[in-house]
Amino acid sequence: GAGVSQSPSNKVTEKGKDVELRCDPISGHTALYWYRQSLGQGLEFLIYFQGNSAPDKSGLPSDRFSAERTGGSVSTLTIQRTQQEDSAVYLCASSSTIAGTEAFFGQGTRLTVV
Amino acid sequence: GESVGLHLPTLSVQEGDNSIINCAYSNSASDYFIWYKQESGKGPQFIIDIRSNMDKRQGQRVTVLLNKTVKHLSLQIAATQPGDSAVYFCAEGSGTYKYIFGTGTRLKVLA
Repeated sequence: GAGVSQSPSNKVTEKGKDVELRCDPISGHTALYWYRQSLGQGLEFLIYFQGNSAPDKSGLPSDRFSAERTGGSVSTLTIQRTQQEDSAVYLCASSSTIAGTEAFFGQGTRLTVV
Repeated sequence: GESVGLHLPTLSVQEGDNSIINCAYSNSASDYFIWYKQESGKGPQFIIDIRSNMDKRQGQRVTVLLNKTVKHLSLQIAATQPGDSAVYFCAEGSGTYKYIFGTGTRLKVLA
């Protein structure tokens, strides 16, 4: 597609269950980001992938969170044993490494843990 | 460094007035800066960008100013309209380094 696609757009899960969130970046973009945004709050960096380099996982809040990027394209963010405080919008963005090009965001996945 | 807090400061502006949203960036090596607008329920959308070899860049009703001496970026919106109500984020980047996003500022336009 022409933009960054995230699925599902909404996810309601029970506390303790695992969830997987998917991001399809713009074709050819080597950089991919995951951010979390709680209601009414700013962007919280989670993880950054750049080509074949080791990802920057410095923003992952706990070992319940993990992310993969297969084949340098699609990425999956997995949250294990979800907690209510994990409820938020999870945003994915991708960018080219061509200098002076912006990052493009998806519409996000709204996760609600009940 | 990256955002140190997630609380969104709020700027309230009367409709028709000019808005100025400020951002302090962290990396003196950053050479590309972007402003994003995020409306309720949507992902952030690109507004305007500026490279470090410029001090000012103008778009439609928006102007971005860059002060590299004090690592400060601002977004000016002329004749603010109700549709400008949103959260605005700045981002800094350099080559292959990851973008660093600011916490954001909520703009409220008062009728």
